[in-house]
Amino acid sequence: SAVISQKPSRDICQRGTSLTIQCQVDSQVTMMFWYRQQPGQSLTLIATANQGSEATYESGFVIDKFPISRPNLTFSTLTVSNMSPEDSSIYLCSVEAEVFGYTFGSGTRLTVV
Amino acid sequence: AQSVTQLGSHVSVSEGALVLLRCNYSSSVPPYLFWYVQYPNQGLQLLLKYTSAATLVKGINGFEAEFKKSETSFHLTKPSAHMSDAAEYFCAVIPTGGYNKLIFGAGTRLAVHP
Repeated sequence: SAVISQKPSRDICQRGTSLTIQCQVDSQVTMMFWYRQQPGQSLTLIATANQGSEATYESGFVIDKFPISRPNLTFSTLTVSNMSPEDSSIYLCSVEAEVFGYTFGSGTRLTVV
Repeated sequence: AQSVTQLGSHVSVSEGALVLLRCNYSSSVPPYLFWYVQYPNQGLQLLLKYTSAATLVKGINGFEAEFKKSETSFHLTKPSAHMSDAAEYFCAVIPTGGYNKLIFGAGTRLAVHP
C-alpha cells in the first residue's frame, strides 16, 4: 500500500494566521482526500483533490478557508486560513492507492490559540 | 444520504474476552464497507473491507466482520481481546454513487482491562 508523509505532525498557531499542511505520497495517485477530525469526534471529508483540476469541496467547507493545491500526482497541500480556535483539529490526508485501498497519513494536530 | 451508525461510543471488555463493535449502514443497495482503527496520536489503519465478495471478511490482528444484508449490519469481532487492541474504531462506507468518498461513523472507543 502507499506510504504517506504528512507535515507538520503538529503545530500551535496564533489566531488569524494560516498554516499549510503538506502531503507527500510515495506513488502516483489520482485522487487525494483531506479530512478534519475535531477533538473527540469522527472524520469529516473536507475536499477531494485531483491533479490538474480544482478541488471539490464538501458542504460546509469553502475554498477561501481551505485552499488546496495538487501540483502533481504525488503531492498536495491544504491551507487552513485565518485560523480561529474552532479550527483546532487533526487534519489528515488520504489516498486511494489501489481500488478501495484507502491509506491515511499520520495527521497534523493543529492547536489555535 | 447513506451513512453508517456505530452503536456504543465506548465499549469495555476484559482481556481475553470477545470483542464486538457494532456498525449498521443505511442503504437499500449494499455499499462498500470498511473498518479502521486509530491508535492514540496516530493516523488510521485499515482493518478490513467489504467490497461485495465474501460476506465474512477477515482482517488484520485477528479481527473479522460479517456483512449481513438482512440486518444492514457489518459488525466487527475478535474472539479474544488483547491489551494492545485498545483504540478508537471507525466504521466507514462508500455510498452508492459516492465517487470513492469515505463517510465515517462516529467511532467506538474500545477499552481493554486486565
